[in-house]
Amino acid sequence: NAGVTQTPKFQVLKTGQSMTLQCAQDMNHNSMYWYRQDPGMGLRLIYYSASEGTTDKGEVPNGYNVSRLNKREFSLRLESAAPSQTSVYFCASSEGQVNSPLHFGNGTRLTVT
Amino acid sequence: AQSVSQHNHHVILSEAASLELGCNYSYGGTVNLFWYVQYPGQHLQLLLKYFSGDPLVKGIKGFEAEFIKSKFSFNLRKPSVQWSDTAEYFCAIPHGGSQGNLIFGKGTKLSVKP
Repeated sequence: NAGVTQTPKFQVLKTGQSMTLQCAQDMNHNSMYWYRQDPGMGLRLIYYSASEGTTDKGEVPNGYNVSRLNKREFSLRLESAAPSQTSVYFCASSEGQVNSPLHFGNGTRLTVT
Repeated sequence: AQSVSQHNHHVILSEAASLELGCNYSYGGTVNLFWYVQYPGQHLQLLLKYFSGDPLVKGIKGFEAEFIKSKFSFNLRKPSVQWSDTAEYFCAIPHGGSQGNLIFGKGTKLSVKP
């Protein structure tokens, strides 16, 4: 049981380049989330998908797009990377109820130069 | 709007010392509270959670937290810390609605000296 799997683990981009972060979960969870973690800021929600076929903006969506490809997969795309997007990105999933804990992936450390 | 405050940014303790990390929240709905732990270089893992019932919640690795409704607090405690408890600790509450996303505090970094 792998849980939540993210790829890649590390990535370095130049300003203006694009990339897609991949996330897959094998727990049959309804909801999936993308957070970014910055020092002293905690975790901030970028986008989430409450169920297959739906996506919604979180606290910091600017500069990002997402796709809920199917129930298992939820990708995050940076169309034109900026240095302000240097961060650690975590994908998470849950059953989607208000008392459901989140299960996190191992994170992607992204540096934009 | 819902919010979570963790007042301690960095706590440094010696092994065997007692630990208490503060968490205060602002939330108008049914209270569900979580503590997550992030060991160096790893992802966040659930430490414990409170939904209802006994306000003293026990989690993994000897951690516990007490929900005090009158103080809007959910402080994390451990009677005797170990070097392996060195990590960052996050308090979290539901954003609201039925989507299940959480609002996290800014985290408290715990360093335990051997």
